[in-house]
Amino acid sequence: GNSVTQMEGPVTLSEEAFLTINCTYTATGYPSLFWYVQYPGEGLQLLLKATKADDKGSNKGFEATYRKETTSFHLEKGSVQVSDSAVYFCAPSSGAGSYQLTFGKGTKLSVIP
Amino acid sequence: DTAVSQTPKYLVTQMGNDKSIKCEQNLGHDTMYWYKQDSKKFLKIMFSYNNKELIINETVPNRFSPKSPDKAHLNLHINSLELGDSAVYFCASSQMTSPEQFFGPGTRLTVL
Repeated sequence: GNSVTQMEGPVTLSEEAFLTINCTYTATGYPSLFWYVQYPGEGLQLLLKATKADDKGSNKGFEATYRKETTSFHLEKGSVQVSDSAVYFCAPSSGAGSYQLTFGKGTKLSVIP
Repeated sequence: DTAVSQTPKYLVTQMGNDKSIKCEQNLGHDTMYWYKQDSKKFLKIMFSYNNKELIINETVPNRFSPKSPDKAHLNLHINSLELGDSAVYFCASSQMTSPEQFFGPGTRLTVL
């Protein structure tokens, strides 16, 4: 099955700092890759996704590029805001026919003014 | 419009009781899931279910059972609740042809 290694948190940054959250995965075949975000007290929301090698997913200023050669999908944002404080989950999917998501352990981000 | 909804949002109960959590999706999806999130935010899939197949994570105790009255609902029934069942439970749904899942707001279960 798939597995995910995510950067250990918590991560604390000042507003407008640059963010990187590392994610590497192992998977058979060609998974789709997802980042989900969980704001305090809420469920998970899809942040961005990429479905094939070299695709870049982007949303709300966040970006991640599907790197097949390094099996990575690192999340980046150039200038974080206090409202970005949340837990971020990297998740590759299993293959077609029986899709499953395997979630990383989550990285808690706290942005301070 | 709420895409995936769960009730109740909070559930506090005594050890040994039986309880159910309800989930409904109005997205027209054909696959639904239940996840358990522990206090360290680790998410573990418990079940995935579509019209044809129930896939059970083998680590889930048989005290947990999903029940689907129709395609838009997947309820989670838990027998003989234990302290270790305290967690946040999330329902999710997707199309069988897509890996993208949509999550409900969660149900925080506390077993005393």
